[in-house]
Amino acid sequence: GDSVTQMEGPVTLSEEAFLTINCTYTATGYPSLFWYVQYPGEGLQLLLKATKADDKGSNKGFEATYRKETTSFHLEKGSVQVSDSAVYFCALSGGSGTYKYIFGTGTRLKVLA
Amino acid sequence: GAVVSQHPSRVICKSGTSVKIECRSLDFQATTMFWYRQFPKKSLMLMATSNEGSKATYEQGVEKDKFLINHASLTLSTLTVTSAHPEDSSFYICSATTGEQYFGPGTRLTVT
Repeated sequence: GDSVTQMEGPVTLSEEAFLTINCTYTATGYPSLFWYVQYPGEGLQLLLKATKADDKGSNKGFEATYRKETTSFHLEKGSVQVSDSAVYFCALSGGSGTYKYIFGTGTRLKVLA
Repeated sequence: GAVVSQHPSRVICKSGTSVKIECRSLDFQATTMFWYRQFPKKSLMLMATSNEGSKATYEQGVEKDKFLINHASLTLSTLTVTSAHPEDSSFYICSATTGEQYFGPGTRLTVT
């Protein structure tokens, strides 16, 4: 079945450091790919998405490119802030002709001032 | 943008009692809503798909008699945890779809 694999956290960075959170997927068909962010005690918020190969999703300084050849959707940000501290989830949908979302295990990011 | 609310945000109940959690789409209609459970420091586990006007579809391993789902209208789905036990303590999140899923803020259930 479809699956999403994320790098294990936690990831601890200093403010203004460069961030990469790796995400790879396995899916049949052509899934859409997402990054969600979850702040403590809250639900998930859509951060960015890409619906086809080579698409780049971007929002709030975060970017991810849909790489079909490497089945990856790595999240990057050039300069993190303390307020970016949260848990980040990679997800896919529509890979097997279904609307169901498959989530990765999440990566906790902690940014130190 | 599309907003999904959940009520209550937190609930504490005694073992053996039942708890109802509401999920509402505030500014759009959703024929399909989803219920997830999130264990501490873990990902979201899809519990069931809630379809307006029909029975919910449960994922493998989820007890449908324990987690009752009712999708009474295009803007409301409810999850009732029946005869709750401490192991049911968790963070429950719903989402509603217009093609893209919008997530509620979650409900923290603690069973004592």
